[in-house]
Amino acid sequence: QSALTQPASVSGSPGQSITISCTGTSSDVGSYNLVSWYQQHPGKAPKLMIYEGSKRPSGVSNRFSGSKSGNTASLTISGLQAEDEADYYCCSYAGSSTFVYVFGTGTKVTVL
Amino acid sequence: EVQLLESGGGLVQPGGSLRLSCAASGFTFSSYAMSWVRQAPGKGLEWVSGSSASGSRSYYADSVRGRFTISRDNSKNTLYLQMNSLRAEDTAVYYCAKDYSTSWSYHDYWGQGTLVTVSS
Repeated sequence: QSALTQPASVSGSPGQSITISCTGTSSDVGSYNLVSWYQQHPGKAPKLMIYEGSKRPSGVSNRFSGSKSGNTASLTISGLQAEDEADYYCCSYAGSSTFVYVFGTGTKVTVL
Repeated sequence: EVQLLESGGGLVQPGGSLRLSCAASGFTFSSYAMSWVRQAPGKGLEWVSGSSASGSRSYYADSVRGRFTISRDNSKNTLYLQMNSLRAEDTAVYYCAKDYSTSWSYHDYWGQGTLVTVSS
């Protein structure tokens, strides 16, 4: 039950695009199309940004997109804006008989 | 409007117990799986426990298995987490999270969290 691996920090200038990776294993990310991404501002609850790998909930900007290749999922933020500065977490269904989900280690996004 | 309101957090001594509650509204509670997710101070999110929609199946992270028990009362639209043998490393904000479906997929709604502090 190891956490998915994310870079600790990613930064970019306003208007640029950044990508956050999320590496798991063939038992979680690689086996299911059930990777979700959450944005968390300081002191706030997480907010769903991407589900099922690449789908956006209603109300989430189309600047956010997701993809997956093998055991690695990715979140891309295009046209970076100041309000995108936050922590981002990936999460995958794990399909175990004893536990359900595994989260990523988290990535701090800084807008320069 | 979906609302999840956690309560029951507080200061407890190591080895003590605490029961968290999550009152749900704005959706048919009995139709959705639910989870508890925690976040230690300055740390990342950790999935702790999950309950199937009916409450017949429960799942736990290795770090809490045998000490924590998840349950739900679908007649009261409330999810619970009974925490026993608490340790300093259980100190965290505990979030209640709704799953998108009856089965497991992703967390579409979250509560605001309740802080549990384990300290002497």
